[in-house]
Amino acid sequence: GEDVEQSLFLSVREGDSSVINCTYTDSSSTYLYWYKQEPGAGLQLLTYIFSNMDMKQDQRLTVLLNKKDKHLSLRIADTQTGDSAIYFCAEIDTDKLIFGTGTRLQVFP
Amino acid sequence: NAGVTQTPKFQVLKTGQSMTLQCAQDMNHEYMSWYRQDPGMGLRLIHYSVGAGITDQGEVPNGYNVSRSTTEDFPLRLLSAAPSQTSVYFCASSYSSGQGAFFGQGTRLTVV
Repeated sequence: GEDVEQSLFLSVREGDSSVINCTYTDSSSTYLYWYKQEPGAGLQLLTYIFSNMDMKQDQRLTVLLNKKDKHLSLRIADTQTGDSAIYFCAEIDTDKLIFGTGTRLQVFP
Repeated sequence: NAGVTQTPKFQVLKTGQSMTLQCAQDMNHEYMSWYRQDPGMGLRLIHYSVGAGITDQGEVPNGYNVSRSTTEDFPLRLLSAAPSQTSVYFCASSYSSGQGAFFGQGTRLTVV
């Protein structure tokens, strides 16, 4: 099956930029997604990128896609304490949405 | 708008008991799915459905059954609960399989 990999933890200082990385295996994925999960809550769709794009920017969020290396990243500018959460990348495999293990972002003052 | 509603939010079962986790969506989405979330393992797909009357297995289907008699509802049945099924369960829906999914708030299940 497909495999989506992420590092488990990231710790950043408030005001700095955060970069969360993800590698995926299905080169035919048409969309790649980033989800955010706050404690005790479900997953919230944060942003997505179409596979024919290299970059997508949405306010403080920048998504970079390197199709050659099958690498996806999410950059959060000016990281705030409210950004503390688990971030999941996900790819489409036929009819299935496949998630990575999630990266726990901790923001400290 | 309610979105995706899961019930119950919490449940404790004894080994061998059966139960049904409920999931309903009011967005007229065709695609619905069930995931379980375990520490360090992300979300793993249990079963999914691309429309009423159609279901298929995901990555970890053993011990679970689903049915999709209506567009709105997609219940997940545990046939004989085991401690290995202790997890947080999420239901999700989307307009189609290629679209970003909306998630319910989750059901935290403990099997003792």
